[in-house]
Amino acid sequence: EVQLVESGGGLVQPGGSLKLSCAASGFTFSGSAMHWVRQASGKGLEWLGRIRERGYNYATAYAASVKGRFTVSRDDSRNTAYLQMNSLTTEDTAVYFCSRLDYDDWGQGTLVTVSS
Amino acid sequence: DVVMTQSPLSLPVTLGQPASISCRSSQSLVYSDGNTYLNWFQQRPGQSPRRLIYMVSYRDSGVPDRFSGYGSGTDFTLRLSRVEAEDIAVYYCMQGRHVPYSFGQGTKLEI
Repeated sequence: EVQLVESGGGLVQPGGSLKLSCAASGFTFSGSAMHWVRQASGKGLEWLGRIRERGYNYATAYAASVKGRFTVSRDDSRNTAYLQMNSLTTEDTAVYFCSRLDYDDWGQGTLVTVSS
Repeated sequence: DVVMTQSPLSLPVTLGQPASISCRSSQSLVYSDGNTYLNWFQQRPGQSPRRLIYMVSYRDSGVPDRFSGYGSGTDFTLRLSRVEAEDIAVYYCMQGRHVPYSFGQGTKLEI
């Protein structure tokens, strides 16, 4: 059974940083691109970024709204993807999902609240 | 960046009746391999999204055949042949042709 479990969410002050983790199991993690998507309360889905597999040199891509502030990375030895978030603002408050989009696998999401 | 525009944003439906959602992309979603990378997702309250349709018209495993997708280039449609109570949710189109990927605003089906 495929499982994606996000962790690391919580309350952070504006201007602060947070690193989310996505622990994967049930599939060949090293052979899969991993994506991050977020959803503010009552709002739509927003694609944030993705990291490809080793065969594609771990290429990354980002949405304009987070480029330069957020970094997607992975550790294939730990079957884990990460989202490093810096310079957070209240606009970044949302539930953050990791996903293996190509296969429609999603985590349950982790809530990030940016507030003073 | 590619902008995905859905309409309507809210769709009153009647159980047992058909319904359609439109999605338009600001650029063609056709890739050099000949495939068109347009997906449809369903999200019920409190749940993670679930993909219904990939590459315009291919239904994911377990998706009822009352869901169908069609379109080409920049114009796409998700059709429900007859709405059932379990279909009340928000539906999103998403393009996977150009990075950054992007979702439409979402269409809320309401009774």
